[in-house]
Amino acid sequence: GAVVSQHPSWVICKSGTSVKIECRSLDFQATTMFWYRQFPKQSLMLMATSNEGSKATYEQGVEKDKFLINHASLTLSTLTVTSAHPEDSSFYICSVTPGANQPQHFGDGTRLSIL
Amino acid sequence: GENVEQHPSTLSVQEGDSAVIKCTYSDSASNYFPWYKQELGKRPQLIIDIRSNVGEKKDQRIAVTLNKTAKHFSLHITETQPEDSAVYFCAASIGTGFQKLVFGTGTRLLVSP
Repeated sequence: GAVVSQHPSWVICKSGTSVKIECRSLDFQATTMFWYRQFPKQSLMLMATSNEGSKATYEQGVEKDKFLINHASLTLSTLTVTSAHPEDSSFYICSVTPGANQPQHFGDGTRLSIL
Repeated sequence: GENVEQHPSTLSVQEGDSAVIKCTYSDSASNYFPWYKQELGKRPQLIIDIRSNVGEKKDQRIAVTLNKTAKHFSLHITETQPEDSAVYFCAASIGTGFQKLVFGTGTRLLVSP
């Protein structure tokens, strides 16, 4: 069965809207979750590492004020795309890992389309 | 930082043939190398992985080899089937832990009946 639940699966909204995406770990507690972005026909690019109870760690070039990450519990991380614009349209995927030295499990992804 | 190169970008084979996808990485501290299969519009699924203390790992029709000296690792699929058609991504861990991954650019595999 699914290890990671990600919602919503598809979002279409107007430019300027803020969009929240949830990532839930179903089978284990996850102190660390990862957020990726994937543009069409491209690879997965790590955006940030979500750390339970502390600030997220963002990769170079990712605006932390635009992509807000909250990891308030051991099973839930949220990514909020603030004031989204058409260039933010992409496939956003989260992943979780049971702990150090364990493989990552991916959510089903959220396809975000900004009109 | 870590850089992962993946070749070829596209690969077309006939059903029953073998397929090989190659990756190179730059960070000598990388110690975990997973391979993911992604079908159109779906999430990446882990198909096999290898750790740096092992040179080869096999799971039925899928095998992965690792050459730490050359910083190369490869995915081998034997007896390919049409349902193997997908995009395959290699990845390498950043630093000494397993957790953060850098992905290759992907290989679109097409298996023709």
